[in-house]
Amino acid sequence: KAGVTQTPRYLIKTRGQQVTLSCSPISGHRSVSWYQQTPGQGLQFLFEYFSETQRNKGNFPGRFSGRQFSNSRSEMNVSTLELGDSALYLCASSVSAGDDEQYFGPGTRLTVT
Amino acid sequence: GESVGLHLPTLSVQEGDNSIINCAYSNSASDYFIWYKQESGKGPQFIIDIRSNMDKRQGQRVTVLLNKTVKHLSLQIAATQPGDSAVYFCAETMDSSYKLIFGSGTRLLVRP
Repeated sequence: KAGVTQTPRYLIKTRGQQVTLSCSPISGHRSVSWYQQTPGQGLQFLFEYFSETQRNKGNFPGRFSGRQFSNSRSEMNVSTLELGDSALYLCASSVSAGDDEQYFGPGTRLTVT
Repeated sequence: GESVGLHLPTLSVQEGDNSIINCAYSNSASDYFIWYKQESGKGPQFIIDIRSNMDKRQGQRVTVLLNKTVKHLSLQIAATQPGDSAVYFCAETMDSSYKLIFGSGTRLLVRP
């Protein structure tokens, strides 16, 4: 069974631009969560989607948004990029509930210059 | 490439020795705890979990201990191997939430 895939793996953007990251969960998984990982703040929860609905959201500004499609694939978007948005963005999928084992993808490394 | 912080606490152990990694969690209402391993360039990988109605759970070469009184979690790795070198994170959540709260991580270095 294929794991969680994220595209692209690496991305370089300029301050002020926007970016869209994609995540394909494990087949049969309906919950997708997004996390931001930085050296300073560690791993922080962004949001979680299930059946195309956002069920939980972390403490990030409105520039960070996401969505989930009917096939459970998810995208996250960051608008008006800031230097501090440079991070590894991780996607995790699980079958359904919050206490199901979450499987992480390899992440997308975003660099904002 | 690197994917974790530059100033993580580091535990250095000799190959074959046992390792103990500690974590203080933040929310007394958390009822589900997980340990993850993250190798360079990869996403976190599930190691073992424990629910709040237990105080110990064993897996293959790993044991997790939970002390709810002092909000403390530990991961014990038996007969540590070079392949265990990685950053280890504890995470907590509540069943009613889908949000994992991660600790800051510990880097484990295994000396041959």
